[in-house]
Amino acid sequence: DAKTTQPPSMDCAEGRAANLPCNHSTISGNEYVYWYRQIHSQGPQYIIHGLKNNETNEMASLIITEDRKSSTLILPHATLRDTAVYYCIVRVATRRETSGSRLTFGEGTQLTVNP
Amino acid sequence: EAGVAQSPRYKIIEKRQSVAFWCNPISGHATLYWYQQILGQGPKLLIQFQNNGVVDDSQLPKDRFSAERLKGVDSTLKIQPAKLEDSAVYLCASSSLRGSLYEQYFGPGTRLTVT
Repeated sequence: DAKTTQPPSMDCAEGRAANLPCNHSTISGNEYVYWYRQIHSQGPQYIIHGLKNNETNEMASLIITEDRKSSTLILPHATLRDTAVYYCIVRVATRRETSGSRLTFGEGTQLTVNP
Repeated sequence: EAGVAQSPRYKIIEKRQSVAFWCNPISGHATLYWYQQILGQGPKLLIQFQNNGVVDDSQLPKDRFSAERLKGVDSTLKIQPAKLEDSAVYLCASSSLRGSLYEQYFGPGTRLTVT
């Protein structure tokens, strides 16, 4: 799986958009970009994933650059409950759950939402 | 639906003692994972089961760690004997198809302190 680079920490004001960047310059054509987050004392939680098109769900939006070498996770209206470590992961994703589908976590970005 | 259950939530033991952690995955999930998360780092995969068979245990320290999933449902992770560096949160996850791809759902973890 390709490595990712994220800033170690970011701050955001409550109610504003939080934009979390991720670099994955060695991503392969069959690798997806996944985002998970981990709130203190909880297990990681899936947020969103994408291959090359921008994606949006009830939690966030994912913007992937045309060359797929970087992406941005957008939380449109951050709340205090969004304070967490956010992990950007690139991995091969298949319809069969094999050893190649492991999640390889980096150190992530600690997002702190301030009142 | 009920999430991934883990017990105990906290455990304190002395070095060279043994310890076991239990995980009950989401009903119907065939794939189960154990991750180790050292403070300040992202989770690291220890072992992956597909039903009751091991798919990937390449990062499991087999001289002291063992895991089983005898009936393809619950799983137990054991450490014997424990070392100081085993202090970490042990996360269990299970996975199922989300759309066309598999997604992992994590439990709350067991925090192990080895003194």
